[in-house]
Amino acid sequence: SFVLTQPPSVSVAPGRAANITCGGNNIGSKSVHWYQQKPGQAPVVVISYDNDRPSGIPERFSGSNSGNTATLTISRVEVGDEAGYFCQVWDDRSDHPVFGGGTKLTVL
Amino acid sequence: QVQLVQSGAEVKKPGASVKVSCKASVNSFTGNFVHWVRQAPGQGPEWMGIISPGGDSTTYAQRFQDRVTLTRDTSTGTVYMELSSLRSEDTAVYYCATTPLDDFYYFDSWGRGTLVTVSS
Repeated sequence: SFVLTQPPSVSVAPGRAANITCGGNNIGSKSVHWYQQKPGQAPVVVISYDNDRPSGIPERFSGSNSGNTATLTISRVEVGDEAGYFCQVWDDRSDHPVFGGGTKLTVL
Repeated sequence: QVQLVQSGAEVKKPGASVKVSCKASVNSFTGNFVHWVRQAPGQGPEWMGIISPGGDSTTYAQRFQDRVTLTRDTSTGTVYMELSSLRSEDTAVYYCATTPLDDFYYFDSWGRGTLVTVSS
């Protein structure tokens, strides 16, 4: 099935921007969804359809998707943003969702 | 969105079965498709299967096809995931998740997960 590749970890200082990538073959032709996952909590969708923010998600969260890479950008990172983030697409060939391996965001 | 409440952690021996439940905390999710996703330690999520709102239709990921069963009790609004012939590699957190009523391609609600540990 479709393979999504994420860096295992990203580190950023508070107040700076964090970019978390999700690579896949021509992923730009698919819709990408991003989730935040904190220990012991339910995952939360932070971006759907490449760059749509659900209600309640800060404007600091944005997404882009082109070519072979989708990117989740968190601007003005806060300590509370420290979490795992994973991407997801719908694989038309297998007709089920596929997830990236996840990226641990550390706020220094 | 729906708040999903899952059953508690389980410890099982290899070869045994486990049954995890998922229920909406307040409002029923009778109109929602419910997916099950698992996440092994240090790995990304992995989709396992889906059950229809009425519980009459299920689809499973090929690798779990012969070991997983999803069921739905519409009278109590509870969805169940049963995984049989457990092995150590099945140690993971198991999540139920729903898609929006008007969408099918992403998840707007997740449970907190149920840790299943398989160990002799």
